[in-house]
Order: sequence, then structure tokens, then C-alpha cells
Amino acid sequence: GENVEQHPSTLSVQEGDSAVIKCTYSDSASNYFPWYKQELGKRPQLIIDIRSNVGEKKDQRIAVTLNKTAKHFSLHITETQPEDSAVYFCAASPGGSEKLVFGKGTKLTVNP
Amino acid sequence: DAGVIQSPRHEVTEMGQEVTLRCKPISGHDYLFWYRQTMMRGLELLIYFNNNVPIDDSGMPEDRFSAKMPNASFSTLKIQPSEPRDSAVYFCASSAGGYQETQYFGPGTRLLVL
Repeated sequence: GENVEQHPSTLSVQEGDSAVIKCTYSDSASNYFPWYKQELGKRPQLIIDIRSNVGEKKDQRIAVTLNKTAKHFSLHITETQPEDSAVYFCAASPGGSEKLVFGKGTKLTVNP
Repeated sequence: DAGVIQSPRHEVTEMGQEVTLRCKPISGHDYLFWYRQTMMRGLELLIYFNNNVPIDDSGMPEDRFSAKMPNASFSTLKIQPSEPRDSAVYFCASSAGGYQETQYFGPGTRLLVL
């Protein structure tokens, strides 16, 4: 079955710096890769997603890149702000499936 | 839209007791997912339904866990008997269409089994 590895597990940056979180997946048939943000004590919420026919997608300060050959995808947050502090999860959807397999999460701390 | 609704929000019970968690998906969504979140194992899919029919229950840890969806607006996850290792946050999520569609999570039920 699909396995998603996420790195780093924790990341601390200064406000205004960029943050990058990387994920790898094992199932080459996976074709949908969402990213969720979970604030402390709250529910996970989708922040951006990418499908396998696209290499990069951007939404304001957030971007996601996908390399299907290498089976990895990354989340990029630019000009980080304290409110970006949260746990970020990547996920992959095995080909043709409605399931999501999640990475273990990255705790991002943005220091003012 | 009220979003996905879960109840109770917190549950404290003693080992051996039956626990029932409830979920109301977003109206019109035909997929419903149950997840468990722990520090050690992260966010794990337990089971999911399409049009009230269980599609994949391979994530259900053992026979003590069962899930039902009697209609399009209600699902339950039952643990009987409960054990301390079942302590976790249980999330319900729903989506419209399933494949490559956004899953919307409920607020979760924080379960503590003593």
C-alpha cells in the first residue's frame, strides 16, 4: 500500500523567512496530493492541493511542487507570519482511490 | 453550511466500557471517512463509506471497532470494549465525489480511556 514520508518533523523559522516541507510517496499510481494545516486543538483544513498533471501550483504565499519521477512533493511558504505556526500534513491518494494516506506531520513554528 | 458535526467533543470512559462516536456529514456529500489521530501513529484512516456503504475498512484496528452509516446524514463509530490504547482524537470527514475531492474534517472527538 501507499506510504508517505514527511520531513522535517519540526521546523522553526523567523518571521518573514521561507519554510519548505518535503514529502515522498511510494505508490507511483498516486495522483492527488493535498496539504492540510492543523492548528493546536483544531481540525485539519486543506490549504492547497496538486494533481499529477500539474508540476507546480501557487496560491498567494503558498506553493506546492510535484516531481512524479522522483515521487516527491513539497510545500513552500514564503514571507512566513506567526499565524502560519501549525502542524502541516501532506497526503497522497493512491491511484483511482478516494482514500488519503497522510504523512506524520511537520510542526512549523514562526518566531516573531 | 454547518460543516461536519461530531459528538461528543470529549469523552472520558473506563476500560471495558462501550463508546459510541457520532458524525453528521455535510449535506450532499456522499463520502464519509473516519480517522484516528495519535502522536505515535499520526492521522490514520479507519474506514470510509460511499452512499452509506462501507468501501474500505482495512484500517479498522480490530473487531472491537465497528462503524455504521444508516443514512446519508448520520454515522457512528463504536468501540466495545474500550481499552486505554484507544485514547486518541477521532475525526470524521466528508467529501462530495470522493476521488480527488477535498475532505472536510469535523472538530473531532477527544477520547480518553482510563
